[in-house]
Amino acid sequence: AQTVTQSQPEMSVQEAETVTLSCTYDTSESDYYLFWYKQPPSRQMILVIRQEAYKQQNATENRFSVNFQKAAKSFSLKISDSQLGDAAMYFCAYRSAGNNDMRFGAGTRLTVKP
Amino acid sequence: DAGVTQSPTHLIKTRGQQVTLRCSPKSGHDTVSWYQQALGQGPQFIFQYYEEEERQRGNFPDRFSGHQFPNYSSELNVNALLLGDSALYLCASSLPLAGASPDTQYFGPGTRLTVL
Repeated sequence: AQTVTQSQPEMSVQEAETVTLSCTYDTSESDYYLFWYKQPPSRQMILVIRQEAYKQQNATENRFSVNFQKAAKSFSLKISDSQLGDAAMYFCAYRSAGNNDMRFGAGTRLTVKP
Repeated sequence: DAGVTQSPTHLIKTRGQQVTLRCSPKSGHDTVSWYQQALGQGPQFIFQYYEEEERQRGNFPDRFSGHQFPNYSSELNVNALLLGDSALYLCASSLPLAGASPDTQYFGPGTRLTVL
């Protein structure tokens, strides 16, 4: 079964600095998708960034970028120029192509210090 | 453009009771997925509805059932509530895309269910 592991329950970063959140996953599939979702205290999950496994180029969305290492089954999220509004729970998620069951990690709570 | 909405926001029930949660998808979306998020954990997939049919189901007992209406809105029903059913229930809608790009799921704010 596919599993997603986030080994950092909590992370802290100074405002304007850079932080990297880790995620590893276990799968025997070759075609899949990876996501990072943000969940602020308002509870609404917001998509931050997504990556198709067949793409070698790492996805980037403004201050957010990923380091996708397919062989190592690693999918880390880098947040540059951290802002106070980035404080939230961050979830890494995996979905196999052709499968509608999205698997989430346990989350990393990010604190941004002013 | 209306996003995903869920009702009610909070709900308190007692063991053995039944509950119905509601979800309206984002405008233009035809697929609805339901997730259970226990405190301190990531969401777990319950099931997905498309064209008024349950398309896929996660590892949840038959006490969890759903329905999708012609307007694509959806309900999640839980019978014989247990204390362990206390959680945040999230609804997500999507519009499957042709080709290799994954459909993006847009989440609602959730319904917090407390079972006493």
